[in-house]
Amino acid sequence: GAVVSQHPSWVICKSGTSVKIECRSLDFQATTMFWYRQFPKQSLMLMATSNEGSKATYEQGVEKDKFLINHASLTLSTLTVTSAHPEDSSFYICSAKPGVEGYYGYTFGSGTRLTVV
Amino acid sequence: LAKTTQPISMDSYEGQEVNITCSHNNIATNDYITWYQQFPSQGPRFIIQGYKTKVTNEVASLFIPADRKSSTLSLPRVSLSDTAVYYCLAPPGSYKLIFGSGTRLLVRP
Repeated sequence: GAVVSQHPSWVICKSGTSVKIECRSLDFQATTMFWYRQFPKQSLMLMATSNEGSKATYEQGVEKDKFLINHASLTLSTLTVTSAHPEDSSFYICSAKPGVEGYYGYTFGSGTRLTVV
Repeated sequence: LAKTTQPISMDSYEGQEVNITCSHNNIATNDYITWYQQFPSQGPRFIIQGYKTKVTNEVASLFIPADRKSSTLSLPRVSLSDTAVYYCLAPPGSYKLIFGSGTRLLVRP
């Protein structure tokens, strides 16, 4: 139980286009989800906190107009990278805390490898 | 948020016990210590969580001294498949997870 599904697992897009990444909680409701990006050989960097039914909270230095987050339901958050550029190429990961009795910690999606060409 | 410090990398051999220590000097009274494992091109996976003394599950053990300023993740008899990055975190309550640099563990044959 407590699975987070992320889609797609990888995507290649042309510079200037937009890409949407989906994050779904499969067997629990998530009022809050988190989005991270990770460059090769580096740690995860928190980008934003996605709140169901309200605006996302972005970390300092993250452009909210470039990384659009929508959390329209208790099981789905989406991250849209708008007008993508090669420097946006990275590994994007979402997570949520199930809040299920007996389950500890946060659960993460399998990640999305974005390559902008 | 409690800042954590852990070794950048560690090497071990198959069958050995590996202990990774993390320091969290400014951990708050209500913070739990949590460890995650990450393989390349995958999201992190929860390993173990504890508040004090010792916690053991089917994967690892976590030792936390009385002052809670540090913790040690113990992996018994590692195998090649344990090669991964291990992160120590002390997130307050249901707050967001901020990852440090982690420890890159390499298990050799």
